[in-house]
Amino acid sequence: EAGVVQSPRYKIIEKKQPVAFWCNPISGHNTLYWYLQNLGQGPELLIRYENEEAVDDSQLPKDRFSAERLKGVDSTLKIQPAELGDSAVYLCASSSRTGGRTGELFFGEGSRLTVL
Amino acid sequence: KQEVTQIPAALSVPEGENLVLNCSFTDSAIYNLQWFRQDPGKGLTSLLLIQSSQREQTSGRLNASLDKSSGRSTLYIAASQPGDSATYLCAVLRDYKLSFGAGTTVTVRA
Repeated sequence: EAGVVQSPRYKIIEKKQPVAFWCNPISGHNTLYWYLQNLGQGPELLIRYENEEAVDDSQLPKDRFSAERLKGVDSTLKIQPAELGDSAVYLCASSSRTGGRTGELFFGEGSRLTVL
Repeated sequence: KQEVTQIPAALSVPEGENLVLNCSFTDSAIYNLQWFRQDPGKGLTSLLLIQSSQREQTSGRLNASLDKSSGRSTLYIAASQPGDSATYLCAVLRDYKLSFGAGTTVTVRA
């Protein structure tokens, strides 16, 4: 079974440029998460989807970040315009819900963004 | 707000020694706790998931315990090997939100 797939793995851009990250979750997982991880820290939630609905986007900086999950499968996270402080690793994760309980989270390899 | 703390931040042990990694959290009303491993430049790999009703989980050389009332979990790795060198993160789930610690970076010396 394929795991969570993310692309690109690495991206280097100039500040003020746009960037987009793509995530394909594990088949059948209805919950999808985007996390941000700074060096030496644990991941922090940006947005959580249940199917195609964004049910928790309270930590997403909506002035420059946007996300979508069309058809409740793949998801895209966009930053426009990027700032120097956005340099980090963007992680996608997915999980399934059994009996109303959130199960184990599975993470992708991450997309490392460097803003110059 | 849930605070998750992992102490120590780094640990170095000789090969063969048992590893003990600690995780503490401030809000005991959690759904589950998950331990992850992260290699440099890589994503997170799930090691063990403990539901709130469980006291421990085991997988091979790994054993994780959970004491919800005291807000603590411990990950034990028996007979450590150089391949166990990585950062280990714990995360607690509540209200569908997973809160992570900053991790413990482990180095196992051959």
